[in-house]
Amino acid sequence: KNQVEQSPQSLIILEGKNCTLQCNYTVSPFSNLRWYKQDTGRGPVSLTIMTFSENTKSNGRYTATLDADTKQSSLHITASQLSDSASYICVVSLNTGGFKTIFGAGTRLFVKA
Amino acid sequence: DSGVTQTPKHLITATGQRVTLRCSPRSGDLSVYWYQQSLDQGLQFLIQYYNGEERAKGNILERFSAQQFPDLHSELNLSSLELGDSALYFCASSVGTSGTSQFFGPGTRLTVL
Repeated sequence: KNQVEQSPQSLIILEGKNCTLQCNYTVSPFSNLRWYKQDTGRGPVSLTIMTFSENTKSNGRYTATLDADTKQSSLHITASQLSDSASYICVVSLNTGGFKTIFGAGTRLFVKA
Repeated sequence: DSGVTQTPKHLITATGQRVTLRCSPRSGDLSVYWYQQSLDQGLQFLIQYYNGEERAKGNILERFSAQQFPDLHSELNLSSLELGDSALYFCASSVGTSGTSQFFGPGTRLTVL
């Protein structure tokens, strides 16, 4: 069964600290994996997208890694800021030619001053 | 700003009523996707249209329907509304059908009283 599981469900960190969010998937055939940031009440915004051959992708203070063998991805946030408080959603697409995408439930991150 | 527009921003209505949500995709995008996000829940894919044709269907209720017009804007119709239909409804668009690079709109918040 195609699934995307994210952990932790929620996380509280202090401003300036680093954190890592996890995404495990059982999706086949794999096409790509994306991380989105969703501020409360707003639409998701794409942070990174990785295909099978890519194992790391950065976007400013956000760095995503992908291990296609173990079917795991992580999103590392460096030097967190209050504005990083949001939900982070892992999304995996299947290579079926059409639209077949599995959304994770998200990790809710709270950054405190 | 993703380039995807949605109207209205907020909608308050009563049970049993019918509403229409509107989405205009980014310039050049042919695919439109509709998602529902209930309070503190993940994104649920409803339906995809590509160049006017229904392309993929997710967990869309029979009370809900959508269409994409020749100018590529899309409408999501929700009828016989129930309290449980209260949610954020997002529209996203992409160039092709695979949904790899989706851009999300700001959403319509529907409240059913």
